[in-house]
Amino acid sequence: DSGVTQTPKHLITATGQRVTLRCSPRSGDLSVYWYQQSLDQGLQFLIQYYNGEERAKGNILERFSAQQFPDLHSELNLSSLELGDSALYFCASSVVLAGGPLSGELFFGEGSRLTVL
Amino acid sequence: GENVEQHPSTLSVQEGDSAVIKCTYSDSASNYFPWYKQELGKRPQLIIDIRSNVGEKKDQRIAVTLNKTAKHFSLHITETQPEDSAVYFCAAKSNTGTASKLTFGTGTRLQVTL
Repeated sequence: DSGVTQTPKHLITATGQRVTLRCSPRSGDLSVYWYQQSLDQGLQFLIQYYNGEERAKGNILERFSAQQFPDLHSELNLSSLELGDSALYFCASSVVLAGGPLSGELFFGEGSRLTVL
Repeated sequence: GENVEQHPSTLSVQEGDSAVIKCTYSDSASNYFPWYKQELGKRPQLIIDIRSNVGEKKDQRIAVTLNKTAKHFSLHITETQPEDSAVYFCAAKSNTGTASKLTFGTGTRLQVTL
């Protein structure tokens, strides 16, 4: 158990719909990352939040958005879903020491498997 | 931005043989290079990492080497076992203040056969 919790584990929906994926980071971790992993593909970085603020953005579509709340949990919102959005969405968290070196290690959740029909 | 290339995409070795996976990165400012193992249907998990001030690191049957000049790093698994079968991802991390980004390679599917 990595300490990172993601819900739901599985989600099946139709094209054009909107879904929200939720992530609770490890206790004490301020930084949250979202990754998309399509079938037999690598891990595509979507977005990073640090203590409620967006810090880095990757190949995230405009139909997707995310936020990190004051309690540090994060949500990834996917709208106008297309078949190609079917994937495993991972959330990860890490410790970030302000003013010091980053610990580096990412702790991944079990992922949310999204199927768009 | 950072670009990480990983080879080979698939690798099949016999039990007991060694396996080597290679990665190159583009951002010379990258300073942290982890390797993650992902078993089928599971989350990626860190198996070993190396920082830019170190050339080599070993942990039992696993070792990682880093060549900063050439901007490449490699994972070496010796005496492979069936449980080593998984997808392995290399990654490179660059930092700007508290902003950070971990860019992953495309993965290597390692199959250890009996």
